[in-house]
Amino acid sequence: GDSVTQMEGPVTLSEEAFLTINCTYTATGYPSLFWYVQYPGEGLQLLLKATKADDKGSNKGFEATYRKETTSFHLEKGSVQVSDSAVYFCALDSGGYQKVTFGIGTKLQVIP
Amino acid sequence: DVKVTQSSRYLVKRTGEKVFLECVQDMDHENMFWYRQDPGLGLRLIYFSYDVKMKEKGDIPEGYSVSREKKERFSLILESASTNQTSMYLCASSHVREHEAFFGQGTRLTVV
Repeated sequence: GDSVTQMEGPVTLSEEAFLTINCTYTATGYPSLFWYVQYPGEGLQLLLKATKADDKGSNKGFEATYRKETTSFHLEKGSVQVSDSAVYFCALDSGGYQKVTFGIGTKLQVIP
Repeated sequence: DVKVTQSSRYLVKRTGEKVFLECVQDMDHENMFWYRQDPGLGLRLIYFSYDVKMKEKGDIPEGYSVSREKKERFSLILESASTNQTSMYLCASSHVREHEAFFGQGTRLTVV
């Protein structure tokens, strides 16, 4: 079945540091890929998405590129802020009834 | 603003009680989902529904049931609450032709 692998963390960075959170996946066919973010005390919200190979999703300074050859969708940001502290979930959707499969979530802590 | 609203942010229930978690969306979405979120396990799908009165089991349906009598409302039912159902419960909805899921703010349920 479908699966998503990401590190749980926590990842602790200083403000303005470069961020990479790795995400790899296993899926049948050609899934759509997502990054969701969960701020403390809130539900998840979509951060960015990519629906086909080589697409780059971007939002709020975050980027991720859909790499079919390495089955990866790594999240990057050039300069993190304290306000980016949250849990980040990588996810995929193989279609059908659009049952989305989530990774375990990576907690990011950014310190001033 | 699109919205998925869960009826409670926090609930405390006793072992053996019947518990209802309610979720309402105002986006006319066909698909609705219930997940539970636990540390180290990420999001796990309990049930989903792709139409009124339709339901499908997710990955961990045991001990839960659902009801979808109206398109905008999807209820999760714990028939006889147990302590291992203490968790954060997240409701989500999505359009049948889109891939983005919209989440509620979550209900933190404690069973004592």
